[in-house]
Amino acid sequence: RKEVEQDPGPFNVPEGATVAFNCTYSNSASQSFFWYRQDCRKEPKLLMSVYSSGNEDGRFTAQLNRASQYISLLIRDSKLSDSATYLCVVPHGGGKLIFGQGTELSVKP
Amino acid sequence: DVKVTQSSRYLVKRTGEKVFLECVQDMDHENMFWYRQDPGLGLRLIYFSYDVKMKEKGDIPEGYSVSREKKERFSLILESASTNQTSMYLCASSSLRDRPYEQYFGPGTRLTVT
Repeated sequence: RKEVEQDPGPFNVPEGATVAFNCTYSNSASQSFFWYRQDCRKEPKLLMSVYSSGNEDGRFTAQLNRASQYISLLIRDSKLSDSATYLCVVPHGGGKLIFGQGTELSVKP
Repeated sequence: DVKVTQSSRYLVKRTGEKVFLECVQDMDHENMFWYRQDPGLGLRLIYFSYDVKMKEKGDIPEGYSVSREKKERFSLILESASTNQTSMYLCASSSLRDRPYEQYFGPGTRLTVT
């Protein structure tokens, strides 16, 4: 089993839609998780951190389910500018990160 | 603003050539990383360094070496480039103490080996 797994998509949604991505991880000892965003032909950038129960930042909500070992990212009222690849990330100790392969989101007008 | 720069955006090399990819960060970060990113495989760690002259192998170090002579600079070396090393190479840095899991990435170098 891969350490971090994501549905690669693409998820094609209309503007204003609510969309959710899931990510599963294999190391049950992991305490914190992250979502990075990568725009087309750009570098990844940190979007949100997820600790304990979850995190909310505007239209974005990240949640953690330890029992089932998955993290979710919910985007409400999708904008065209939300089109990107969303990377689920799990720390591996010593500052190292394990990246999922990413979920591609395309928001259409 | 943190800035991570990479020496080239695009590079074309021939099989067997020695290739140097340079990365410089201006935030005095202790940690520096080299990844490659391929479709369907995501980001994979090649090497990382947590201090000057210190280096550790990542998940796919074969065919690569690194050099960190100064804190701000981390170089990736392909000793003898092969076609399976055609990829996007991303450098990143992070602080050892302050939010160590927030990595700042450079714009990437797209390397093609022919």
